[in-house]
Amino acid sequence: DQQVKQNSPSLSVQEGRISILNCDYTNSMFDYFLWYKKYPAEGPTFLISISSIKDKNEDGRFTVFLNKSAKHLSLHIVPSQPGDSAVYFCAASASGGYQKVTFGTGTKLQVIP
Amino acid sequence: EAQVTQNPRYLITVTGKKLTVTCSQNMNHEYMSWYRQDPGLGLRQIYYSMNVEVTDKGDVPEGYKVSRKEKRNFPLILESPSPNQTSLYFCASSLDWGSGYTFGSGTRLTVV
Repeated sequence: DQQVKQNSPSLSVQEGRISILNCDYTNSMFDYFLWYKKYPAEGPTFLISISSIKDKNEDGRFTVFLNKSAKHLSLHIVPSQPGDSAVYFCAASASGGYQKVTFGTGTKLQVIP
Repeated sequence: EAQVTQNPRYLITVTGKKLTVTCSQNMNHEYMSWYRQDPGLGLRQIYYSMNVEVTDKGDVPEGYKVSRKEKRNFPLILESPSPNQTSLYFCASSLDWGSGYTFGSGTRLTVV
């Protein structure tokens, strides 16, 4: 039972354009969401997070949007750069669930120069 | 440098031969966790620990053991490895519940 789903295995975007990565979840107890970026041969790197009390969080070129009613979140990267090419994982956890964090299957982003 | 260190980076072993993958963090983090990454399945949590002597099962704990005797170390033990445990393993730590994880560089395990 995949509680966190990233339905697009891959995405290609031109440099300078917007990249939108999507994530859906099924567990209504999830109230904290994170995005990680992973380059080959490295561990994932924490990118940005959002609590369910917010619907938007921004950090430089990265913005995460949360739609609780749709159980959907998205990561926007503007403008996209070739160095953003990586696999992006969405993750979720429930308060009181300590560090039981559930990850999605990942979306491979390619930014074309 | 703040980091999570896993050893070894690569390991090939035979079915049934006990092995331990070590994990150590130098950030005084309370929380530590082990994940495995498999194609098409993303990252799946094996075990996690909230503090010394406090551990709990993740989503795929079968065939694995962990211990947290010291805050900085969180070894992953495979008592009797099987080929279906061939995977890429990541150790991670975080300061508190709301913080993102810092991941190690991974251990690629092959069980033949």
